[in-house]
Amino acid sequence: EAGVAQSPRYKIIEKRQSVAFWCNPISGHATLYWYQQILGQGPKLLIQFQNNGVVDDSQLPKDRFSAERLKGVDSTLKIQPAKLEDSAVYLCASSLDRGTGATEAFFGQGTRLTVV
Amino acid sequence: AQSVTQLDSQVPVFEEAPVELRCNYSSSVSVYLFWYVQYPNQGLQLLLKYLSGSTLVKGINGFEAEFNKSQTSFHLRKPSVHISDTAEYFCAVRYNFNKFYFGSGTKLNVKP
Repeated sequence: EAGVAQSPRYKIIEKRQSVAFWCNPISGHATLYWYQQILGQGPKLLIQFQNNGVVDDSQLPKDRFSAERLKGVDSTLKIQPAKLEDSAVYLCASSLDRGTGATEAFFGQGTRLTVV
Repeated sequence: AQSVTQLDSQVPVFEEAPVELRCNYSSSVSVYLFWYVQYPNQGLQLLLKYLSGSTLVKGINGFEAEFNKSQTSFHLRKPSVHISDTAEYFCAVRYNFNKFYFGSGTKLNVKP
């Protein structure tokens, strides 16, 4: 079974530039998450999708971050304009969440963003 | 507010010694509990999970954890660690079938 795919693995941009990350979840998984992991901290949820609807985006800085999930499958997270404090690893995860309720999240390898 | 607390940011231990990584969570009617491991430059990998049933759960790589509802804890244990267990470990809680909350992580450093 293929895992969660993310690209790119690494990205370096200057502040005020824009950047986009892509995620392809495990086939058939209903729920997709984007997390931000700053060095030395645990993952912080940015946005959670259930199929193609947003379940929670309370911690997403909406003035600069946006995300969409196309046809309930792939997802893109965008930052525009980037700030120095956005330097972090961006993790995408998915969970099955069909029928039997909540299940574990499966994570991709992440995208390491450096803003200079 | 719902939260997950990992009491130790770093745990040094010698190879073949036992280890316990502590995790406490804020109480709720319905919780699912997880431990994940993260190796350098990698995503998070599931070690074990508690959904219901027996409070002692066994995971991969010889790890186990015990769910204690009265103490709202879910501590991770391994009777004998190896150098290869050096990594960062995250406790996670899923409240009421909703989003995952993660702890701040515990770095396990296994010394020869």
